[in-house]
Amino acid sequence: NAGVMQNPRHLVRRRGQEARLRCSPVKGHSHVYWYRQLPEEGLKFMVYLQKENIIDESGMPKERFSAEFPKEGPSILRIQQVVRGDSAAYFCASSPVGQLSSYEQYFGPGTRLTVT
Amino acid sequence: AQSVAQPEDQVNVAEGNPLTVKCTYSVSGNPYLFWYVQYPNRGLQFLLKYITGDNLVKGSYGFEAEFNKSQTSFHLKKPSALVSDSALYFCVAGGNNRLAFGKGNQVVVIP
Repeated sequence: NAGVMQNPRHLVRRRGQEARLRCSPVKGHSHVYWYRQLPEEGLKFMVYLQKENIIDESGMPKERFSAEFPKEGPSILRIQQVVRGDSAAYFCASSPVGQLSSYEQYFGPGTRLTVT
Repeated sequence: AQSVAQPEDQVNVAEGNPLTVKCTYSVSGNPYLFWYVQYPNRGLQFLLKYITGDNLVKGSYGFEAEFNKSQTSFHLKKPSALVSDSALYFCVAGGNNRLAFGKGNQVVVIP
């Protein structure tokens, strides 16, 4: 019974390259959330997706960042033209239902992005 | 919008002593409150949650938390800390389809 899977666990990119982070939710979960954790800080909400829909992207930077959760396959967080400030740990979480407030989220191990 | 405050950066406690990690929250409507723990280079693990009912909530690994509506607090407690409890602890408030995280408290249990 696999939990949330994220890959890669570590990703190194040079400035200007693209980063693609993948997240496979817990089997049967159709709600996915992405968070960013900067050093010495808590998690910051980025985006909430359901299958084929973006529900809330109010935490996403306006440029260079995008996310999707297709009908088939993992959720993808895409960062174009990465800059050093994008270096962080990116966590994905899933839950079995939406309107999430009362349901705990299940977190993946994170992808640590380093931009050189 | 909901927000969470964890006033202490680090909590040091001797092994075997009681452990308390403080959290206060601000939410509109009924609060949904959670505690998560993060070990080094790992994702967050769910410890416990308060939705409704008894103010004292029991969770994993011997942890419990007390919901206090008048003080808008949800402090995490453990009667006897273990060295293996050393980790980063996040208090979280749920609402409006998202979670608001506190900045986290580093707990160091000294042998």
